Amino acid sequence: DGGITQSPKYLFRKEGQNVTLSCEQNLNHDAMYWYRQDPGQGLRLIYYSQIVNDFQKGDIAEGYSVSREKKESFPLTVTSAQKNPTAFYLCASSRWRAVMDTQYFGPGTRLTVL
Amino acid sequence: DAKTTQPPSMDCAEGRAANLPCNHSTISGNEYVYWYRQIHSQGPQYIIHGLKNNETNEMASLIITEDRKSSTLILPHATLRDTAVYYCIVRPLGSSGSARQLTFGSGTQLTVLP
Repeated sequence: DGGITQSPKYLFRKEGQNVTLSCEQNLNHDAMYWYRQDPGQGLRLIYYSQIVNDFQKGDIAEGYSVSREKKESFPLTVTSAQKNPTAFYLCASSRWRAVMDTQYFGPGTRLTVL
Repeated sequence: DAKTTQPPSMDCAEGRAANLPCNHSTISGNEYVYWYRQIHSQGPQYIIHGLKNNETNEMASLIITEDRKSSTLILPHATLRDTAVYYCIVRPLGSSGSARQLTFGSGTQLTVLP
């Protein structure tokens, strides 16, 4: 099956700890994205990557870091510098060079800081 | 993204057609209409998109008015599993950089009743 997987589904973190959220896709998409969703709100872009070894900051990149060493993988690290990390994190992917760049989403990771 | 307006909630009887409206009166000529839905605590799911012609796929039909200022998503035979928040989004072709991010409004909570 083609798709996007995220793990873990639920993640608990103590204050001051860094955590890494996994995102893998087998859709052969060039572009990948990380969004954050807070209760009752829309999506906010954290980082996006158009191609391997390249990524760009979105609207709320502070306190987060990413890497894109493989086309299939785009892990997100939530660092201790992120002031309010409790949220639902969504990974998406799309074609990049195509005019139509429909984004497809993974199931999400719900992060809770204790 | 152009602003969209959707009713906050709708109910539909199971087995009946669900018609979800969206107003996008400021849409530009190069902007597509996209529909996504999000079931509680899951990632958004792409449904359908269109420019000016009506579109149909295995999930739904999209009817866009001739002036493109509004559209209707039709789920022909709603089931309980269609209960979700439905988002209508307009996006220009060939967005670059962070403009590719999806901006979800508040959407319509569709509840399918048994």
